[in-house]
Amino acid sequence: EIVLTQSPGTLSLSPGERATLSCRASQSVDSGYLAWYQQKPGQAPRLLMYGASSRATGIPDRFSGSGSGTDFTLTISRLEPEDFAVYYCQQYDSSPQTFGQGTRLEIK
Amino acid sequence: QVQLVQSGAEVKKPGASVKVSCKASGYSFTSYYSHWVRQAPGQGPEYLGLINPSGGSAIYAQKLQGRVTMARDTSTSTVYMELSSLRSEDTAVYYCARGGISGGLDYWGQGTLVTVSS
Repeated sequence: EIVLTQSPGTLSLSPGERATLSCRASQSVDSGYLAWYQQKPGQAPRLLMYGASSRATGIPDRFSGSGSGTDFTLTISRLEPEDFAVYYCQQYDSSPQTFGQGTRLEIK
Repeated sequence: QVQLVQSGAEVKKPGASVKVSCKASGYSFTSYYSHWVRQAPGQGPEYLGLINPSGGSAIYAQKLQGRVTMARDTSTSTVYMELSSLRSEDTAVYYCARGGISGGLDYWGQGTLVTVSS
C-alpha cells in the first residue's frame, strides 16, 4: 500500500502568515489522485482539495494545492484564525486508499 | 442539502460484532460510492473500504478482510458497516463518507464512537 508521510508534524505560525504543508508518497500517486482535509476537534474531516490542486466546493482561495508523483504541497496563503487545525492528505489512486498521519497547525 | 446521519454510539465486548448504519439524503444515493473511515483516539484516519450502492459490490482494506462487511439498502438509502471479532484496538470513531465525483470524500457523517472493552 502507498504510505503517505506528512511534514512537519506540527507547524506553529501566526495569523496572516503563509503555511506550507508537505505530503510525500512512498510510490507515485498517478493522475494526481490526492486529496487534502482539514479536521477540527470533535468534527469529521472536511474536504479541502482533490485531484491535488482543485478546491472543493466552498473552500476559500487562500487554500491551494500542488504537486505530482510523490511530492505534494498544501499552501495557505494568509492564515485566518479558523485555519488552525489538523490537516491530512489522502491518496485514492490505488487500493487501499490511505491517509497521512497529519500536520497540526497551531497558533504561535 | 446532502446529509449522512449515522447510528449512535456502541459499547461492545471483545469478540462481539458491531453494525453501524449511515442514512443518506439530499442526493441520488445510487450515483455515488459510499466509503467508511475510522479514527482511533488521537490518531489519523484509517480507510476501511467502500461500497457501490448501485450494485452492492464492496472493496475492503486488506487489514480487515474477513472481519468487515459493507451492505446497502436502496429502499432506505442506507449503508451499513459490520465489524466482527472486535478487539480493543477497534475502539474508534467510525465515519461514513460520500465519494466525490471528481475525487476525495466530499460529505461525511457525524461519526459513531465504537468502544470495545471487557
